[in-house]
Amino acid sequence: GAVVSQHPSWVICKSGTSVKIECRSLDFQATTMFWYRQFPKQSLMLMATSNEGSKATYEQGVEKDKFLINHASLTLSTLTVTSAHPEDSSFYICSAQRLAGLGGEQYFGPGTRLTVT
Amino acid sequence: QQQVKQSPQSLIVQKGGISIINCAYENTAFDYFPWYQQFPGKGPALLIAIRPDVSEKKEGRFTISFNKSAKQFSLHIMDSQPGDSATYFCAASRNNFNKFYFGSGTKLNVKP
Repeated sequence: GAVVSQHPSWVICKSGTSVKIECRSLDFQATTMFWYRQFPKQSLMLMATSNEGSKATYEQGVEKDKFLINHASLTLSTLTVTSAHPEDSSFYICSAQRLAGLGGEQYFGPGTRLTVT
Repeated sequence: QQQVKQSPQSLIVQKGGISIINCAYENTAFDYFPWYQQFPGKGPALLIAIRPDVSEKKEGRFTISFNKSAKQFSLHIMDSQPGDSATYFCAASRNNFNKFYFGSGTKLNVKP
C-alpha cells in the first residue's frame, strides 16, 4: 500500500514552453500533497503544500506564477512549470500524506527529471 | 536557520558492520521523526519513523534511537549490506502541521 506515482518520469522541453507533471496516490486518499525540488547531491527543498480543493501554499522564494499547482482530487495533484528556462532543470518529487494534521507519513513519488534546453 | 542538522555527510562501512547516522533538531514542538532512504534517480522511501513517546523503535535491521532531552535521534543499520548503499535523510514535523523539515542527507557506501 501507499504507492505514489508521477508522470512523466522524465521530460525534455524547450525554453519558453510549459510542462505539466502529475502526481497520483494510487491506493489511498491524500488530503495533502507536497512538491519538492532536489538538486544533485542535495536535500529536498519544499516548494509548496497542496490541499485538495484549495489554493496551494508556496514556500518563501518560490514563484507561484511560475510553478502552478492544482490539487483537483484526493488522488491527483499537478505541477505546471510555466515558461520554463534552463535554470528550472531539476528533479521534481511529489509526496502524498495519508493522514492530515497528525504528522502523518509522507509517501514519495519516484520523481520527474526535467531538462530545459 | 536549519531546523534539522544531519551528520555525517558521508559514511563508509564494511559489509556486516553497523551504520550510524545522527540528527539533531531545535524545535521541541516536533513530534514525528521519520527516516527516508533514497537511491539515485528515485524518490525517497519511508524506512522507519518514531514519535517522542518512545526512546527506541526497531524494524528488522533498522533501529531509531531517540533522545528527547538532547533533541537528537539516530538511525542504526545493523549488519549493513551493499544493497543498503544509498542516501539517507532524517526529517521532523510538528503535530497539526504537515510540513517536513529534512536533514541534509548522508550518503552511505557499504563496501563488500
